[in-house]
Amino acid sequence: DAGVTQSPTHLIKTRGQHVTLRCSPISGHKSVSWYQQVLGQGPQFIFQYYEKEERGRGNFPDRFSARQFPNYSSELNVNALLLGDSALYLCASSSRWGPTEQFFGPGTRLTVL
Amino acid sequence: EDQVTQSPEALRLQEGESSSLNCSYTVSGLRGLFWYRQDPGKGPEFLFTLYSAGEEKEKERLKATLTKKESFLHITAPKPEDSATYLCAVQAGSGTYKYIFGTGTRLKVLA
Repeated sequence: DAGVTQSPTHLIKTRGQHVTLRCSPISGHKSVSWYQQVLGQGPQFIFQYYEKEERGRGNFPDRFSARQFPNYSSELNVNALLLGDSALYLCASSSRWGPTEQFFGPGTRLTVL
Repeated sequence: EDQVTQSPEALRLQEGESSSLNCSYTVSGLRGLFWYRQDPGKGPEFLFTLYSAGEEKEKERLKATLTKKESFLHITAPKPEDSATYLCAVQAGSGTYKYIFGTGTRLKVLA
């Protein structure tokens, strides 16, 4: 069975640009969450979507937005990139709403120059 | 404020030398506590879920336990392939179930 997939694997952008990251959850999973992980830190929660609706939002500025599509895949968009946005962006999927384990993708490494 | 603290930050063990990692938490309305393993440059890999104080889970050389304030990940007779960062996360609240991760314990097992 395919796990969570993310694209692209790596991305280099310059300050002020916009970026779109993509995620496909495990087949049958309806919940997708996004995390930002800076080197040496634990993942920081950005968004959670379930059945195409936003169900949770972390402490990130409005430059960060996301959406979930009818096939449950998801996009994370970041506008007006800052140097501090450089990080590993992780997508995780889960089978149901509520407290449950999440399964993570390999991440997208974003570098902002 | 909800908080998850892991200790130690880093741990070096000889192969076969058992030890424990700690995860202490301060959250309102704990709904679940999760342990993950993360290898460099990869996404976290799910290990265990614990829902209530007194619960224990085991998998190979790993055993996770939960009290009302903390969780322990016990590693028995570790091998070099157990080297990784071990992350603890909690889910709390109601309505929205955001994960709060600790900063992790970097484990190095020497042959």
